[in-house]
Amino acid sequence: DTAVSQTPKYLVTQMGNDKSIKCEQNLGHDTMYWYKQDSKKFLKIMFSYNNKELIINETVPNRFSPKSPDKAHLNLHINSLELGDSAVYFCASSQGSGRAYFGPGTRLTVT
Amino acid sequence: DAKTTQPPSMDCAEGRAANLPCNHSTISGNEYVYWYRQIHSQGPQYIIHGLKNNETNEMASLIITEDRKSSTLILPHATLRDTAVYYCIVMYSGGGADGLTFGKGTHLIIQP
Repeated sequence: DTAVSQTPKYLVTQMGNDKSIKCEQNLGHDTMYWYKQDSKKFLKIMFSYNNKELIINETVPNRFSPKSPDKAHLNLHINSLELGDSAVYFCASSQGSGRAYFGPGTRLTVT
Repeated sequence: DAKTTQPPSMDCAEGRAANLPCNHSTISGNEYVYWYRQIHSQGPQYIIHGLKNNETNEMASLIITEDRKSSTLILPHATLRDTAVYYCIVMYSGGGADGLTFGKGTHLIIQP
């Protein structure tokens, strides 16, 4: 069983579109995250979500919004996509500690 | 404001021990040292963590100096599949909600 799964694995879309990436964890963890890895391979936290509390990295544009329908899911919605949003997006989960489990990533390409 | 310093790259021969250093001279008393790795195109993978005692698991050993200002991750018998970027991260035990702060890591290349 995959602990943290993401769909889709690849996403190619045009500038200005709105898209979503789904994430599910079956570990029973209480905290989920979204990370962005840009073309220079730098990994940065975007959001963490725990018990309906959302912590946002202040550098993340408000075009990005996480939505959690339940404890096992944290989806990432992106509005008005820009070229600079092209990156690999990783979902992760943890039980509130530094030991996190990461998904396989979603490679987003904006053309 | 990186909390850790790692060499950008290292080589190691297959079958030998790979020793990856990390400096964290500003670590505070309640901060743990975590190690992750990222194999090409995959999500980061947790390896090991520790507070002040040396730790060992099925993947690696973690040696933390007595003053806690540096640590070394040891892969005892490196294989080609251990080629990856290794990240040393310090964070306090209750800091999970803040997520992990990744630096640039060390690109470890295992040579056949």
